[in-house]
Amino acid sequence: AQTVTQSQPEMSVQEAETVTLSCTYDTSESDYYLFWYKQPPSRQMILVIRQEAYKQQNATENRFSVNFQKAAKSFSLKISDSQLGDAAMYFCAYRSYGSGNTGKLIFGQGTTLQVKP
Amino acid sequence: IAGITQAPTSQILAAGRRMTLRCTQDMRHNAMYWYRQDLGLGLRLIHYSNTAGTTGKGEVPDGYSVSRANTDDFPLTLASAVPSQTSVYFCASSGSKETQYFGPGTRLLVL
Repeated sequence: AQTVTQSQPEMSVQEAETVTLSCTYDTSESDYYLFWYKQPPSRQMILVIRQEAYKQQNATENRFSVNFQKAAKSFSLKISDSQLGDAAMYFCAYRSYGSGNTGKLIFGQGTTLQVKP
Repeated sequence: IAGITQAPTSQILAAGRRMTLRCTQDMRHNAMYWYRQDLGLGLRLIHYSNTAGTTGKGEVPDGYSVSRANTDDFPLTLASAVPSQTSVYFCASSGSKETQYFGPGTRLLVL
């Protein structure tokens, strides 16, 4: 079974600085998707970024980028130029590839990010 | 476009009562999911539906049932609520690009 681990329960960053959130996963599959979701105090789950395992290039979305290390099974999220609105809980999630599976997301435990003004 | 709506936003329920959490999406996504979120455990899949008329069990299905009569609606029913079902419940859907989009969640307290 696949597992996702976020080893940092809490992180803090100064506004305008850069922070990296860690995520590792365990799987025997070769094709899969990885995601980072943001959950602000409003409780809404918001997709931040997505990575397909077959793509070697790291995904980027504006100030958000990932460092995807497939061999090491590592998927970290880098937030550049941190803003107060980035304060939230961040979840790393794994999804198997292909139509024959449930399509379920397997989530890590989450990392709470505090942004200091 | 509303995306995914869930109702109610929050609910306090007496143990033993029956409760249905509603979920509706307007994106014409084939797949829909129900997750529960508990502190320190992230989100865990309760039930899923890959297309209208079909459903399947997730990681924590006991005490819950679902139906998928049409593409848009995916209600989750607690037949006889117990305190361990106190949680935040999220409905999600996905189309052809595999990414799941979430509703705003329902906070449920079972006393």
